[in-house]
Amino acid sequence: DTGVSQDPRHKITKRGQNVTFRCDPISEHNRLYWYRQTLGQGPEFLTYFQNEAQLEKSRLLSDRFSAERPKGSFSTLEIQRTEQGDSAMYLCASSPASGGNYNEQFFGPGTRLTVL
Amino acid sequence: DAKTTQPTSMDCAEGRAANLPCNHSTISGNEYVYWYRQIHSQGPQYIIHGLKNNETNEMASLIITEDRKSSTLILPHATLRDTAVYYCIVRVEYGGYQKVTFGIGTKLQVIP
Repeated sequence: DTGVSQDPRHKITKRGQNVTFRCDPISEHNRLYWYRQTLGQGPEFLTYFQNEAQLEKSRLLSDRFSAERPKGSFSTLEIQRTEQGDSAMYLCASSPASGGNYNEQFFGPGTRLTVL
Repeated sequence: DAKTTQPTSMDCAEGRAANLPCNHSTISGNEYVYWYRQIHSQGPQYIIHGLKNNETNEMASLIITEDRKSSTLILPHATLRDTAVYYCIVRVEYGGYQKVTFGIGTKLQVIP
């Protein structure tokens, strides 16, 4: 399968713990996005990378959140000192810089986080 | 990005056309209309997009009114697998940078 992959698919943690999620985009895509989706809502934009550069961060991305894409390939999203309000689906998407489908964002299956 | 208004939910009989409306009365001249859908427990999937002309691909057709204040996504022969939440989004193309703002979408239930 050559689509966007995310790991883990599910994560249950206790409040106050740190968690890290990984996203592997489609290999030739240099744009990578993170979104958060809570129950009954559409995905909300968190941050955007072009290659290894983080070019935009939403105000939803508090100081406890950090995202990296060190080599311009996979990306990680870390949440420190998790809170119950962080419980959500975290979605990763990627898109190419050019080409016939550069208008599309290709989404991964998401990581569902539950904070107890 | 301009806001959109969609019905919260719709039903459609299997095999019939599903017509999903979207209002975007504040759309500006350089904003495109995009449609994504999200099947339960999966990430969103791109369907189609357009600026002012009607568009068709293997998944759906997009009809945009002449004043561009509204559009309709048409699934010509709905199947049970089309049951999903459908998101209508309008946004500017920033040279490929595509920050997407999703609303609540329309939950389409295809009925056998």
